[in-house]
Amino acid sequence: QKEVEQNSGPLSVPEGAIASLNCTYSDRGSQSFFWYRQYSGKSPELIMFIYSNGDKEDGRFTAQLNKASQYVSLLIRDSQPSDSATYLCAVNNNAGNMLTFGGGTRLMVKP
Amino acid sequence: EAGVAQSPRYKIIEKRQSVAFWCNPISGHATLYWYQQILGQGPKLLIQFQNNGVVDDSQLPKDRFSAERLKGVDSTLKIQPAKLEDSAVYLCASSLNPNTEAFFGQGTRLTVV
Repeated sequence: QKEVEQNSGPLSVPEGAIASLNCTYSDRGSQSFFWYRQYSGKSPELIMFIYSNGDKEDGRFTAQLNKASQYVSLLIRDSQPSDSATYLCAVNNNAGNMLTFGGGTRLMVKP
Repeated sequence: EAGVAQSPRYKIIEKRQSVAFWCNPISGHATLYWYQQILGQGPKLLIQFQNNGVVDDSQLPKDRFSAERLKGVDSTLKIQPAKLEDSAVYLCASSLNPNTEAFFGQGTRLTVV
């Protein structure tokens, strides 16, 4: 079982819709959770981080964390074509080391 | 604030040759990561430093890869000898500590022919 799992996609949504990206992790004691966006040929850039159960909102982005179910999600409201990219989920394990990434979900927002 | 600096940006070498990558983290960042990203996959952690000590190198192929961060600031990752399957982007990232967000450099694209 992979430590951090994501559906590889592609996830295709129309412009203006809500895109929902999901991630599950295996280490129950994980403490820190991150979402990165990676455009083709570029490095990952941080979108959001979340440490506590519940929702965290930042503009059009909302991160949701459920430690009991071991999943973290990212919602993108009012999706724009410029949001088309690969979204990477990263989890820091219980010991506070090894920032592990999932395989990423490719999002396509169609005009 | 300057970001994470990496060099070179691109490198093409023949198999069995050696190559080295350099990374300078954001000033004050104690944690430094080296990742390997193969096309179409997520970044794979090779080694993580906390200051000048190794926190984790469980996925580093130690028969050919080595890394150091002697003074707890910049770091070098070396491959010797390179194999075709080492073709990938090598990403360096840094963070204030292991629990905070990591920031990435532009990466080094390595092609082994």
